[in-house]
Amino acid sequence: GAGVSQSPSNKVTEKGKDVELRCDPISGHTALYWYRQSLGQGLEFLIYFQGNSAPDKSGLPSDRFSAERTGGSVSTLTIQRTQQEDSAVYLCASSLRGAQSSYEQYFGPGTRLTVT
Amino acid sequence: QKEVEQDPGPLSVPEGAIVSLNCTYSNSAFQYFMWYRQYSRKGPELLMYTYSSGNKEDGRFTAQVDKSSKYISLFIRDSQPSDSATYLCATQPGNNRLAFGKGNQVVVIP
Repeated sequence: GAGVSQSPSNKVTEKGKDVELRCDPISGHTALYWYRQSLGQGLEFLIYFQGNSAPDKSGLPSDRFSAERTGGSVSTLTIQRTQQEDSAVYLCASSLRGAQSSYEQYFGPGTRLTVT
Repeated sequence: QKEVEQDPGPLSVPEGAIVSLNCTYSNSAFQYFMWYRQYSRKGPELLMYTYSSGNKEDGRFTAQVDKSSKYISLFIRDSQPSDSATYLCATQPGNNRLAFGKGNQVVVIP
């Protein structure tokens, strides 16, 4: 079946601009996660959605970052006023349920963001 | 202290060799330990997971957890060029997220 899809695959933006990154999870997966992967930092957790519960935003690095998940499916990660240190690969993952099975997460191919 | 630490050095081995990777973790309360594999320009995919301690074997892959030393290992026997990838260890500090090591890039030379 279809896996997790993300768009765009690559995004180049100028410093100070806003960007939106999209994630389409596997159908039926109720949990959705955003991570950021950069050289030297590895994979860092950003935010987690589970069903209709309030999201866990504990990993967001600043208030320039926000995310929403509409209808329990598609999610958008928004970065406002981008900075060069935001350059990274942004990965989305989904899992069948939340806590009980979150060790098995299915990742999308990522969006490679470059801020110039 | 990082929740999981993995020395991110690259590793090159000849085809057929045994690959040995390891990580340490900080909290003895962690129960799930995973190895994810990531090919270039792709997202990570779950390779193996272990609950609590002990060994788990899947074909040429063996995952080990030593809770007394907070040490997790992955062994790849009879390595193949198709095993060339980055291997990330991970644990589950809380219900909602995974904490990853920085990854080891493995190159298997034919």
